[in-house]
Amino acid sequence: EDQVTQSPEALRLQEGESSSLNCSYTVSGLRGLFWYRQDPGKGPEFLFTLYSAGEEKEKERLKATLTKKESFLHITAPKPEDSATYLCAVNSGGYQKVTFGTGTKLQVIP
Amino acid sequence: DGGITQSPKYLFRKEGQNVTLSCEQNLNHDAMYWYRQDPGQGLRLIYYSQIVNDFQKGDIAEGYSVSREKKESFPLTVTSAQKNPTAFYLCASSIGSLRGYNEKLFFGSGTQLSVL
Repeated sequence: EDQVTQSPEALRLQEGESSSLNCSYTVSGLRGLFWYRQDPGKGPEFLFTLYSAGEEKEKERLKATLTKKESFLHITAPKPEDSATYLCAVNSGGYQKVTFGTGTKLQVIP
Repeated sequence: DGGITQSPKYLFRKEGQNVTLSCEQNLNHDAMYWYRQDPGQGLRLIYYSQIVNDFQKGDIAEGYSVSREKKESFPLTVTSAQKNPTAFYLCASSIGSLRGYNEKLFFGSGTQLSVL
């Protein structure tokens, strides 16, 4: 059974204080690892897809990296508008083979 | 703008009542999904559909039913057999390929269902 564990559950940062969110996974065969952002009361919004170990992707203050066992979402100099829950998901094949983690709730204080 | 529209935003169910959640997309996507989100848990798949007039059970389909009569629409009915329906329900879509690999999901804004 595929498993995804995200840590920490919650993270509070001062504006400008860089940090990383972790997503550890166990899958039978990774087809893709996804990062989503979810604001309160809204649906998740796609951020990145990573396919193979060593791959990196960036978008504004966010950078996602992937190893064979985990992925990191690095947040550089965060702003209050980066406050959200960040979800990690893995696809091990097929429409029904997507497993989501429980998310990391990020709060950025001005 | 293309996207997924879910309605209503909030829904209340009485004991023994069936309720239907609406999901419409104008992204021209073939695949559509229903997920359930509970506090402290990851999203769980209820049903998915790869093509019109076809759908498959996900991990927690008991107490739910769906239909896919049109490409744009994928309504979810929460039946009275679902004993713990209180949750945030999310509809999603993806382009839809033969395998369904590596497809990012586009989500609606969700429906919060509560029991009276």
